[in-house]
Amino acid sequence: DTEVTQTPKHLVMGMTNKKSLKCEQHMGHRAMYWYKQKAKKPPELMFVYSYEKLSINESVPSRFSPECPNSSLLNLHLHALQPEDSALYLCASSQPRDRGHEQYFGPGTRLTVT
Amino acid sequence: GENVEQHPSTLSVQEGDSAVIKCTYSDSASNYFPWYKQELGKRPQLIIDIRSNVGEKKDQRIAVTLNKTAKHFSLHITETQPEDSAVYFCAARDMVEYGNKLVFGAGTILRVKS
Repeated sequence: DTEVTQTPKHLVMGMTNKKSLKCEQHMGHRAMYWYKQKAKKPPELMFVYSYEKLSINESVPSRFSPECPNSSLLNLHLHALQPEDSALYLCASSQPRDRGHEQYFGPGTRLTVT
Repeated sequence: GENVEQHPSTLSVQEGDSAVIKCTYSDSASNYFPWYKQELGKRPQLIIDIRSNVGEKKDQRIAVTLNKTAKHFSLHITETQPEDSAVYFCAARDMVEYGNKLVFGAGTILRVKS
């Protein structure tokens, strides 16, 4: 099973709202990622968790807050977003750096900030 | 860190013809190069990858070649079909950051005309 799942599929939120994106994988992967993708652009890395610890933060604004409760779950908490944060948010998973490379993406959450 | 350039940005071919997409990378230490296909509204899908210890890898109609000396790698699609129409992203593993970070090219829009 090479599936990564994400909920919700679509999300519309106001600039004062608080919401969360969820990601789950059952492939035994120990690295999980959040990416942001704008239309016609490549995925842009936001965060990497390796063995449930944050290993990379690509200077993402604090209005995005990641959380990795266990090896299968990854959350992205959103607060006080701006309209320019509207994008497709992709989760991915892989084995950690020392054990493998292939990254598998979830279907994404289409976020619209109004 | 790693930098990846991808060409062309758009490519139109007739059904049955071959398509070639080229990428160059900057870090000679990079050792993993995946290709992703992304159809409209869908997730990036890993279609083929190559590691730095091999020069070529083939999977049915798709193949990837790697030239470590010149620091470039290419995706070859033979006997193209309309369902090959999508955006293709190349990527290279960033060896500087801890964690499995991929750096993506800007993408190629492939259109297969029937």
